[in-house]
Amino acid sequence: AQKVTQAQTEISVVEKEDVTLDCVYETRDTTYYLFWYKQPPSGELVFLIRRNSFDEQNEISGRYSWNFQKSTSSFNFTITASQVVDSAVYFCALRNTGGFKTIFGAGTRLFVKA
Amino acid sequence: DTEVTQTPKHLVMGMTNKKSLKCEQHMGHRAMYWYKQKAKKPPELMFVYSYEKLSINESVPSRFSPECPNSSLLNLHLHALQPEDSALYLCASSQERGAGTDTQYFGPGTRLTVL
Repeated sequence: AQKVTQAQTEISVVEKEDVTLDCVYETRDTTYYLFWYKQPPSGELVFLIRRNSFDEQNEISGRYSWNFQKSTSSFNFTITASQVVDSAVYFCALRNTGGFKTIFGAGTRLFVKA
Repeated sequence: DTEVTQTPKHLVMGMTNKKSLKCEQHMGHRAMYWYKQKAKKPPELMFVYSYEKLSINESVPSRFSPECPNSSLLNLHLHALQPEDSALYLCASSQERGAGTDTQYFGPGTRLTVL
């Protein structure tokens, strides 16, 4: 069975704080793909990152960084020096090779207060 | 350019109306998707088209009827909807080099209200 768990329903931080969004996944496949999407209040799902299961290198993009650990089946997302514009719902998602279905986590709602 | 467009942005319809949602992409993607998203929930897959053929129908009621006229366009025809069908409807597309590897790019969605 495939599953994505985002245990944090809501997180509230003050601007400039660092925040980490947790994502734990389950899959029996050896090859799979993990994603993070951002959904601001406007509704559009914005693609942030894709990570292949065979590439455990962590990634940094500006204030965003991702920590992929196969040993713990986790793919966590950290925002450094958060800003009000980071307020959104963030979804972690899983896809297997050859499949069209994307398994989404329940999402984490992030509030960044000025 | 990773843009998927959807029209209309908002739609209010009665239970006896017939309406259509439209989605368009010009990225040369060959897979297109419809998702339904209720408030405070993740998106739920409804349909997938691959090379203009319906590949997946997630047991969606027949009052939702998808159509893919060409590789750039995807429609969702609505008829005799129920109030519980009120939701955000998201369209997405992906290259389909190898379906699992592809990143899905989403449109801004249509907020549907059924009265």
